[in-house]
Amino acid sequence: GQQLNQSPQSMFIQEGEDVSMNCTSSSIFNTWLWYKQDPGEGPVLLIALYKAGELTSNGRLTAQFGITRKDSFLNISASIPSDVGIYFCAGQKGPSSGTYKYIFGTGTRLKVLA
Amino acid sequence: DGGITQSPKYLFRKEGQNVTLSCEQNLNHDAMYWYRQDPGQGLRLIYYSQIVNDFQKGDIAEGYSVSREKKESFPLTVTSAQKNPTAFYLCASSDRDRGTEAFFGQGTRLTVV
Repeated sequence: GQQLNQSPQSMFIQEGEDVSMNCTSSSIFNTWLWYKQDPGEGPVLLIALYKAGELTSNGRLTAQFGITRKDSFLNISASIPSDVGIYFCAGQKGPSSGTYKYIFGTGTRLKVLA
Repeated sequence: DGGITQSPKYLFRKEGQNVTLSCEQNLNHDAMYWYRQDPGQGLRLIYYSQIVNDFQKGDIAEGYSVSREKKESFPLTVTSAQKNPTAFYLCASSDRDRGTEAFFGQGTRLTVV
């Protein structure tokens, strides 16, 4: 089945650094979502994007819906130890495609060194 | 509080046995989903349902079955035909419209012993 390409796969950063990750697809999506998953827990929604070119912030997190609708980016500024976890992107094509299912990225594993 | 509840959190199964994982939501969402996650891997779609009494196979449906008799409930049965059932199972739900978010339960970790 289709999975979105997410990069980097993993990253180690120092506390206080900024982090960038992205997600790309060969097809167009109408909604992009970003989630964070802690070990042994379900993913928690961070940011939702609905429009091409949209830039949305949630505290230290900023995400953008790519203008081509085939990609999305997530930035975390001034990272802290609790940012550690797995970050997933997800795309949804919407009802015009006949389905409401979400396609997930392969995940970016973030480790923050204090 | 509104949310999605998965139970149990941990489940052990003997080889050859069927087991059912529960997923209940009180968000009044039409669509519900089951995903499987293996260590260090992303989420793979098992089954999804866009409306009561209807469901569709996802990418890895073999060895699994579901039912959607009520809007609030979408149980997943892992049958003995599933060759490698040990995994973390996640249930999610969303409104059945364009541009809506999917919300996840806390997951059930299934181990075959």
